[in-house]
Amino acid sequence: NAGVTQTPKFQVLKTGQSMTLQCAQDMNHNSMYWYRQDPGMGLRLIYYSASEGTTDKGEVPNGYNVSRLNKREFSLRLESAAPSQTSVYFCASSYRGGRNYGYTFGSGTRLTVV
Amino acid sequence: KQEVTQIPAALSVPEGENLVLNCSFTDSAIYNLQWFRQDPGKGLTSLLLIQSSQREQTSGRLNASLDKSSGRSTLYIAASQPGDSATYLCAVSSPFNDYKLSFGAGTTVTVRA
Repeated sequence: NAGVTQTPKFQVLKTGQSMTLQCAQDMNHNSMYWYRQDPGMGLRLIYYSASEGTTDKGEVPNGYNVSRLNKREFSLRLESAAPSQTSVYFCASSYRGGRNYGYTFGSGTRLTVV
Repeated sequence: KQEVTQIPAALSVPEGENLVLNCSFTDSAIYNLQWFRQDPGKGLTSLLLIQSSQREQTSGRLNASLDKSSGRSTLYIAASQPGDSATYLCAVSSPFNDYKLSFGAGTTVTVRA
């Protein structure tokens, strides 16, 4: 019962470097999401994928790109990291349209940009 | 736009006392409401999910109620323990928001031994 798996768990980047955060779910959920969590700002949605083959912007998409690789995997890419992107990143999945299906979150990636 | 408010922001109680956490939302057209727990430095763990047609859900010492018409949900934790110390987040989803979650800022609970 892995649920939502995120890699890596920790990362330190230099300003301008790029990296991809990986997320995979094994619950056959159709929707996947990327959030960032910052002190005093709560959880903010970066991008989401309502179903395989679609992606949409959330509240704070600037500086990020996403790829819904298949039904299981949804990656988040930082093309040129900035210190403002220092945050904890969470991936989540859900069964869109299922009243009894809530969101399941991964354990997070703690990213520091120096 | 859906606004979710959680009051109080922080709560400290002695062990054994019952906890009452409040969540209010501005748009009653919700699909479901979910309560999460987050321990420091950890991810979000789902505690309870209440469908819009339901009035309450229970799991062990936890009970969550939903009053859609007044835009309120309450999470009750009976006989609190130090292990209940965490931040509790309330979130609602709506088909009018493409089923995305709108989160409250959370209530940070400390249970004193």
